[in-house]
Amino acid sequence: GDSVTQMEGPVTLSEEAFLTINCTYTATGYPSLFWYVQYPGEGLQLLLKATKADDKGSNKGFEATYRKETTSFHLEKGSVQVSDSAVYFCADSNDYKLSFGAGTTVTVRA
Amino acid sequence: EAGVVQSPRYKIIEKKQPVAFWCNPISGHNTLYWYRQNLGQGPELLIRYENEEAVDDSQLPKDRFSAERLKGVDSTLKIQPAELGDSAVYLCASSPTASGNTIYFGEGSWLTVV
Repeated sequence: GDSVTQMEGPVTLSEEAFLTINCTYTATGYPSLFWYVQYPGEGLQLLLKATKADDKGSNKGFEATYRKETTSFHLEKGSVQVSDSAVYFCADSNDYKLSFGAGTTVTVRA
Repeated sequence: EAGVVQSPRYKIIEKKQPVAFWCNPISGHNTLYWYRQNLGQGPELLIRYENEEAVDDSQLPKDRFSAERLKGVDSTLKIQPAELGDSAVYLCASSPTASGNTIYFGEGSWLTVV
């Protein structure tokens, strides 16, 4: 079946550091791609998405570009804040369901 | 606009006991999902409803799990009897339709089986 592979954590960074979390997918065709975020004690929230090749999703300073040639959707942020501490999940949508990666825990220190 | 509402938020039960989770999706959303999230893992789909019809229940362990969405709005997920391995977060989610739309998640029901 489809699977999404994302960089293992945990990742610990200092404030204002650059963050990148790698994500690759195996779904065939042109799935929609998503990054969800789960803050401590809260539910999953959509962070950004892209629905076709070369699209760039962006939100709250985060960006990810849909790369069909490398089947990737890496998440980046140029300058992280303490409030970005959370678990980040990459997901693809194919056959009417989301398939998630295992999640990457990010901790940002002041 | 209210989001996806789930209850209870937390439940601790002894093994072999039954448990039920309730979900109210976002108003107007025809598609409803139940996911299970084990500790340290991403969510995995249990069942998907289109209105009141379960269109994908291939990952639902039907020997002990059941779900219903009788009027195409609220949904209930039941486990009977619960096993230790059922300890997880049960997430309900909804979307306007299944095709290409963003899926919105509730805060989850945290189950601990002891």
